[in-house]
Amino acid sequence: RKEVEQDPGPFNVPEGATVAFNCTYSNSASQSFFWYRQDCRKEPKLLMSVYSSGNEDGRFTAQLNRASQYISLLIRDSKLSDSATYLCVVDLDSNYQLIWGAGTKLIIKP
Amino acid sequence: GAGVSQSPSNKVTEKGKDVELRCDPISGHTALYWYRQRLGQGLEFLIYFQGNSAPDKSGLPSDRFSAERTGESVSTLTIQRTQQEDSAVYLCASRTDLNSPLHFGNGTRLTVT
Repeated sequence: RKEVEQDPGPFNVPEGATVAFNCTYSNSASQSFFWYRQDCRKEPKLLMSVYSSGNEDGRFTAQLNRASQYISLLIRDSKLSDSATYLCVVDLDSNYQLIWGAGTKLIIKP
Repeated sequence: GAGVSQSPSNKVTEKGKDVELRCDPISGHTALYWYRQRLGQGLEFLIYFQGNSAPDKSGLPSDRFSAERTGESVSTLTIQRTQQEDSAVYLCASRTDLNSPLHFGNGTRLTVT
């Protein structure tokens, strides 16, 4: 089993719809969680950190479920510009190593 | 403030030549990471530096790859005797400490002909 797993997609979603995807992790000692977006041929950019109580930033909501060991990202009222690959990353507290998911590709269609 | 800076942004080299890639992290960031990303693939961890601790080199794919970092500043990734399979984007990232997010540079796109 991979340490961090994501559905690779692509998720084809009409503009204005709501879309959600999950990221599961295997190490229960994981402490910090982040969502990044990566546009084609660009570097990953931080979208949001994921806090234990869940957090929201505009149209984006991130949640953490420690019992089931997954994090989720919800995008409301999706825009064409949301088309990208979304990467989750998990931070173990024991060292500085970060574990990256392979990414979920999202395509927003007009 | 200034972000992570990488140079060169693009590098084309002939097979067998050595290349050196440079990364300037964000000032004050103690941790620095190098990743490789081949076209259409995910991030492949290469090496990270944390302050004055010994670097974690566990991701370096072969002894042709090496990296150095001076204190908490500039890092260089060197690839000797480049091969075509080394063609990829090499990304550098830094962060302040545990539990803080990574900030990436724009990457160096390496093409080995």
